[in-house]
Amino acid sequence: DTAVSQTPKYLVTQMGNDKSIKCEQNLGHDTMYWYKQDSKKFLKIMFSYNNKELIINETVPNRFSPKSPDKAHLNLHINSLELGDSAVYFCASSHRTTNEKLFFGSGTQLSVL
Amino acid sequence: SQQGEEDPQALSIQEGENATMNCSYKTSINNLQWYRQNSGRGLVHLILIRSNEREKHSGRLRVTLDTSKKSSSLLITASRAADTASYFCATDGNTDKLIFGTGTRLQVFP
Repeated sequence: DTAVSQTPKYLVTQMGNDKSIKCEQNLGHDTMYWYKQDSKKFLKIMFSYNNKELIINETVPNRFSPKSPDKAHLNLHINSLELGDSAVYFCASSHRTTNEKLFFGSGTQLSVL
Repeated sequence: SQQGEEDPQALSIQEGENATMNCSYKTSINNLQWYRQNSGRGLVHLILIRSNEREKHSGRLRVTLDTSKKSSSLLITASRAADTASYFCATDGNTDKLIFGTGTRLQVFP
């Protein structure tokens, strides 16, 4: 049983398209996150939700919109994809807050052509 | 801005040798964590050390924390080829965000 699962694992798309990445955790955690890892392995937080409520929104373009239908799911929708959006996107969860350890999904490799 | 920076950026050793990675950070923290990332996979939590702790062990891992120098080290003893991965430190910086360092790529040769 995968604790944090995200789909798809690979996403190849054209510039200007809209795409979504889904994430689900079965750990009963209250907090979920989206991180972006660039080609240099630099990992940066994008969003954080606690019990479906947005608590962290880093300086991410408005084209990125997270949605949390319930505390076990946090999806990421990206509009008008750009070349610079190419990266690996990781979903993660923690029991309560960011001061605790994170459980990561296996990542979604997004390639924008 | 980046909270933590690992040193060295890359490290190559033989199986059986010890590997030491260092992490420096900028602000005060509640805790510091170390994660491992195998190629093409997500990050896996290794160990968490709180700001009032100086050393912590977990199996072949030993983590130290020096809050006066704002630095931490991760020691992997008797390394194995399976330890080949990137290792990241992460700090909360007394905020609600966990900020990751730049990572150390460890290669362990059989």
